[in-house]
Amino acid sequence: KNEVEQSPQNLTAQEGEFITINCSYSVGISALHWLQQHPGGGIVSLFMLSSGKKKHGRLIATINIQEKHSSLHITASHPRDSAVYICAGPRSQGNLIFGKGTKLSVKP
Amino acid sequence: DAGITQSPRHKVTETGTPVTLRCHQTENHRYMYWYRQDPGHGLRLIHYSYGVKDTDKGEVSDGYSVSRSKTEDFLLTLESATSSQTSVYFCAISEQGRETQYFGPGTRLLVL
Repeated sequence: KNEVEQSPQNLTAQEGEFITINCSYSVGISALHWLQQHPGGGIVSLFMLSSGKKKHGRLIATINIQEKHSSLHITASHPRDSAVYICAGPRSQGNLIFGKGTKLSVKP
Repeated sequence: DAGITQSPRHKVTETGTPVTLRCHQTENHRYMYWYRQDPGHGLRLIHYSYGVKDTDKGEVSDGYSVSRSKTEDFLLTLESATSSQTSVYFCAISEQGRETQYFGPGTRLLVL
């Protein structure tokens, strides 16, 4: 069993829909990262959070450390949001252990 | 965008040949990481560095070595490339160990 599990693996949405991607982890981590990998392959860090909620534009990330669960929400989705979204938790020295990613496709 | 580059961006090589990938940063960040990304596995840590000449193994370090003689450069070497090392390799940097990581553009390596 992976220490970091994401669901769903694939997600197709219509433009404008509200999207939720979930991340659960079995290891004790103090914070969680959300990353976005563009279709061209580049990886961008979206959020790092250890409690509560963070918001950046239409993206919202929440975390519940006690329940070992985090969610990434996208409001008013747009085709340009199509990407692979990856959650990751840090081990010692900051090494990240990654989920396998959620491939999001937003149709116009 | 963080100043982080990788070279080469693409490489095709033959089994048994040595290969060195370079990660270069202009941010003066202390931590540098090498990951590989494969279908069905996601990103996995190969080696990381927490300072000049300070390196440690990740979860998939067999067959790889690293060196960091300067803050800005982190080299990944495949001593004798194998087909199982065909992958996309990403370098990342972070100011401290538990902070946001910034990723390079990746290197596609094909070992024939």
